[in-house]
Amino acid sequence: GAVVSQHPSRVICKSGTSVKIECRSLDFQATTMFWYRQFPKKSLMLMATSNEGSKATYEQGVEKDKFLINHASLTLSTLTVTSAHPEDSSFYICSRRTSGSTDTQYFGPGTRLTVL
Amino acid sequence: QKEVEQNSGPLSVPEGAIASLNCTYSDRGSQSFFWYRQYSGKSPELIMSIYSNGDKEDGRFTAQLNKASQYVSLLIRDSQPSDSATYLCAVNKGYIGFGNEKLTFGTGTRLTIIP
Repeated sequence: GAVVSQHPSRVICKSGTSVKIECRSLDFQATTMFWYRQFPKKSLMLMATSNEGSKATYEQGVEKDKFLINHASLTLSTLTVTSAHPEDSSFYICSRRTSGSTDTQYFGPGTRLTVL
Repeated sequence: QKEVEQNSGPLSVPEGAIASLNCTYSDRGSQSFFWYRQYSGKSPELIMSIYSNGDKEDGRFTAQLNKASQYVSLLIRDSQPSDSATYLCAVNKGYIGFGNEKLTFGTGTRLTIIP
């Protein structure tokens, strides 16, 4: 069964609004989770690494003030897209490692964001 | 040069045949290599991981790694229509706990199995 869940699976919002996406590790306490973005017909790009109890590590070119990440518990990381614009429309996917000692990652089902 | 390169395809293979997917990477320091399958509109599913030179088999899937040539491949035997998907190669050149862990993905190869 699924080991990582995301909510919502799909969201449509107006330009300028903020959207929060939740990522839950269902069977494993994850100190680290990862957030990716995938534009149509493009590959996955790592946006940030979410660390429980500390600040997220953002990849170069990803605005930390626009994409707010909170990893407040060992099973939940959230990504908030603030003041969303049409160019933020994308498929957002979170992941976690299969265990604490391996770098293999399981992905959540993803959240499709459409900003009008 | 892209960090991880794949032929975008589409690659068409008759049902029952062997599908061969290839991937090259640019960083010789890369440590871990993965193949994911992604159906249209869905998130990636892990197929295999490989860390050492040589072959690794899991059911109908065989991953091959050649670090000297910086080359990873995936063979799918007895291809089924349900194997039709985009296959993503991913490479990690960092280490857990070192703060440099990062999966870099290729653009994927679209595979179509023809019944």
